[in-house]
Amino acid sequence: DAKTTQPPSMDCAEGRAANLPCNHSTISGNEYVYWYRQIHSQGPQYIIHGLKNNETNEMASLIITEDRKSSTLILPHATLRDTAVYYCIVRLPNNAGNMLTFGGGTRLMVKP
Amino acid sequence: ETGVTQTPRHLVMGMTNKKSLKCEQHLGHNAMYWYKQSAKKPLELMFVYSLEERVENNSVPSRFSPECPNSSHLFLHLHTLQPEDSALYLCASSQDLWATGNGYTFGSGTRLTVV
Repeated sequence: DAKTTQPPSMDCAEGRAANLPCNHSTISGNEYVYWYRQIHSQGPQYIIHGLKNNETNEMASLIITEDRKSSTLILPHATLRDTAVYYCIVRLPNNAGNMLTFGGGTRLMVKP
Repeated sequence: ETGVTQTPRHLVMGMTNKKSLKCEQHLGHNAMYWYKQSAKKPLELMFVYSLEERVENNSVPSRFSPECPNSSHLFLHLHTLQPEDSALYLCASSQDLWATGNGYTFGSGTRLTVV
């Protein structure tokens, strides 16, 4: 799996959009970008994933650059409950040998 | 509740004790995983099971012994642990090893303290 680089921490004001960047410059053509988050002392929670097109669901939007070397997770209206560690993971889901591998993630602190 | 249930939520055990962690999923998934999360460290994959068969063991010490009696249940048997084994132990499941779509579903974890 390609490696990813994320800032270790970010702050965001409540009600504002939180934009979390991820660099994955060595991503290969068939690898997907997955985002998970982990609220303190809980298990990671799936947020969204994409290949090349931008994706949106009820939780967030995922913007992937045209060259696919980076992406941004957008929480459009951050709340205090969005305070968590956010993990960007690049993975080839069609390869059974590629398990989900977590890096350090970005610790997002949403402040009142 | 995510559909993956782990018990107990908290466990304190002595170094000479034997205990077991339990994970249960009723999502119809065929692959199950144990992860370990130590303080201020990334999640580490420990074991992987697919259709009740162990397919990966990431150099985990033998004092950790997994068991998968059926596709819905996964256990982690613990014996002669060390204080540095204190961590959050997370169970996850996925439809199969390819885990397309929504990927993995995680439980809330067992917070283990070895004294």
